[in-house]
Amino acid sequence: DAMVIQNPRYQVTQFGKPVTLSCSQTLNHNVMYWYQQKSSQAPKLLFHYYDKDFNNEADTPDNFQSRRPNTSFCFLDIRSPGLGDAAMYLCATSSRPDGSYEQYFGPGTRLTVT
Amino acid sequence: GQNIDQPTEMTATEGAIVQINCTYQTSGFNGLFWYQQHAGEAPTFLSYNVLDGLEEKGRFSSFLSRSKGYSYLLLKELQMKDSASYLCAVKEGNYQLIWGAGTKLIIKP
Repeated sequence: DAMVIQNPRYQVTQFGKPVTLSCSQTLNHNVMYWYQQKSSQAPKLLFHYYDKDFNNEADTPDNFQSRRPNTSFCFLDIRSPGLGDAAMYLCATSSRPDGSYEQYFGPGTRLTVT
Repeated sequence: GQNIDQPTEMTATEGAIVQINCTYQTSGFNGLFWYQQHAGEAPTFLSYNVLDGLEEKGRFSSFLSRSKGYSYLLLKELQMKDSASYLCAVKEGNYQLIWGAGTKLIIKP
């Protein structure tokens, strides 16, 4: 089945220790997104790619970086995680077969910072 | 500014009907989505409205009024598995979404 895969599902890192979260997709969608979601809050868009074009949200901290080496893979790097970065990180993809640009989500990575 | 409002929490009874409202104020509008999110899981797509009116899909229906900046999600024949958060999201441009904080729906037997 075509899908969005995130690894790992749960990640524990230490304060200040760099961490990388990964996302892959078999949908061949040209748009990929990274969201941060804290408990009972709306997903917050960090950045997105349209093909290889990178789009950073204005309020995304410099501590967060991303790479998309090819259509299928996308990575989120947190250079120096703080306690406030503990959250669920969601990867999503979209295409435009019918104009809706519906977003398909991976299962998420729950990040804990100790 | 951009704003999407939904009730924080609602409670309903198994087998009943519930309507979850969403009002929005955005600088642009290219469609409105409803997503379901179970605790600790990723959002899953429920519906998409771009024109005014009602879209029906099984037990779930979604309504849109663009002139009023208003949408609702109607859930019929509620089941315990419908206990989840329901997020309203507006597409402003071509593909970015503005998200509401979600409505937590609690279903009681």
